[in-house]
Amino acid sequence: NAGVTQTPKFRVLKTGQSMTLLCAQDMNHEYMYWYRQDPGMGLRLIHYSVGEGTTAKGEVPDGYNVSRLKKQNFLLGLESAAPSQTSVYFCASRDTRETQYFGPGTRLLVL
Amino acid sequence: GNSVTQMEGPVTLSEEAFLTINCTYTATGYPSLFWYVQYPGEGLQLLLKATKADDKGSNKGFEATYRKETTSFHLEKGSVQVSDSAVYFCALRSTDSWGKFQFGAGTQVVVTP
Repeated sequence: NAGVTQTPKFRVLKTGQSMTLLCAQDMNHEYMYWYRQDPGMGLRLIHYSVGEGTTAKGEVPDGYNVSRLKKQNFLLGLESAAPSQTSVYFCASRDTRETQYFGPGTRLLVL
Repeated sequence: GNSVTQMEGPVTLSEEAFLTINCTYTATGYPSLFWYVQYPGEGLQLLLKATKADDKGSNKGFEATYRKETTSFHLEKGSVQVSDSAVYFCALRSTDSWGKFQFGAGTQVVVTP
């Protein structure tokens, strides 16, 4: 049981470049979430999904898109990266008892 | 909207000291409440939770009680260890059908030998 995995672990982008962050879970959870963590601001919800094929906006969705084509995968895309998107990104899935399981995070630096 | 406020850190303690981290919330209805812990370089892990008023969550010597009247969920531990050094996040799950989570800003705890 790998739990929640994220790739890549670290990435450096130039302003305007695009990339996709991949999150995968093997616990058959319906709910999945993407958060960003910035100093002094805790975790802020970017987008989330309540099942395959369904996604919704969170607190800070601008500049990001997501897709949930398969139940086990939740992709976060940055179409045109900006320095303000430098952050640590965490993916999580949630079980029926409301417990979230977090991945190890992706550190993104946008220059 | 929903919000979670927790005390700012860092909180620096000596080993075996008593730890309290305050957490208050604003929400519609009676949300489920959580404490998560993040060790350096890792993702968050659930520490404990409470799903209704007066419930007490406990784990690894940590406790927190869901206080509806004061909208609080303070985290306590009677005797901390160096291994408890981490960042602690208070969170709530909204009561609407989407069930989104709202996190506090996090409190860094540093325990010295």
